[in-house]
Amino acid sequence: GIQVEQSPPDLILQEGANSTLRCNFSDSVNNLQWFHQNPWGQLINLFYIPSGTKQNGRLSATTVATERYSLLYISSSQTTDSGVYFCAVEVPDNQGGKLIFGQGTELSVKP
Amino acid sequence: EPEVTQTPSHQVTQMGQEVILRCVPISNHLYFYWYRQILGQKVEFLVSFYNNEISEKSEIFDDQFSVERPDGSNFTLKIRSTKLEDSAMYFCASTRGSETYEQYFGPGTRLTVT
Repeated sequence: GIQVEQSPPDLILQEGANSTLRCNFSDSVNNLQWFHQNPWGQLINLFYIPSGTKQNGRLSATTVATERYSLLYISSSQTTDSGVYFCAVEVPDNQGGKLIFGQGTELSVKP
Repeated sequence: EPEVTQTPSHQVTQMGQEVILRCVPISNHLYFYWYRQILGQKVEFLVSFYNNEISEKSEIFDDQFSVERPDGSNFTLKIRSTKLEDSAMYFCASTRGSETYEQYFGPGTRLTVT
């Protein structure tokens, strides 16, 4: 089956720093989503981005589907950005299919 | 903004007991899912449900698990005889299934089996 790999596994930043998280996937995908899992365990939707670039405030994401990777950029990081960031892909077996998650990047932003 | 809701937020049960986890998906969504996350690990797919039937299930979703949509709003996951290894966070998700297939997740139910 498809492999989803995220890097780095852990990241420690000083407040105000910028960062780039990467998601590589081993096969073609229908859809790709980025989530933030907050300290309470909730999965918060960040981006639905099967291809192209999107921006939402300090966060932006780019997916290059032909090269099978996606990047999540966090600028001017804040302590509230701490948590685990997951990338998840839907394989093109059929629409409405399952999401396959990567292992996540655990981000810690220090004041 | 519409959201997926789940109850209870935390359930503690003894090994061998049956549990039912409940979810109310977003009202105009057509596809429903259950995922689980063992502490410290990634989120894993359990089952998907569309048009009142299971469309896909993982190898984790064995005969001890079942899903049901008993009415127009609720979506439930039943574990018949819980094991210690069923302890995990269980997430329900839903997607509209037309124009967009973005999945939205509920806040999760933390299941602890003792």
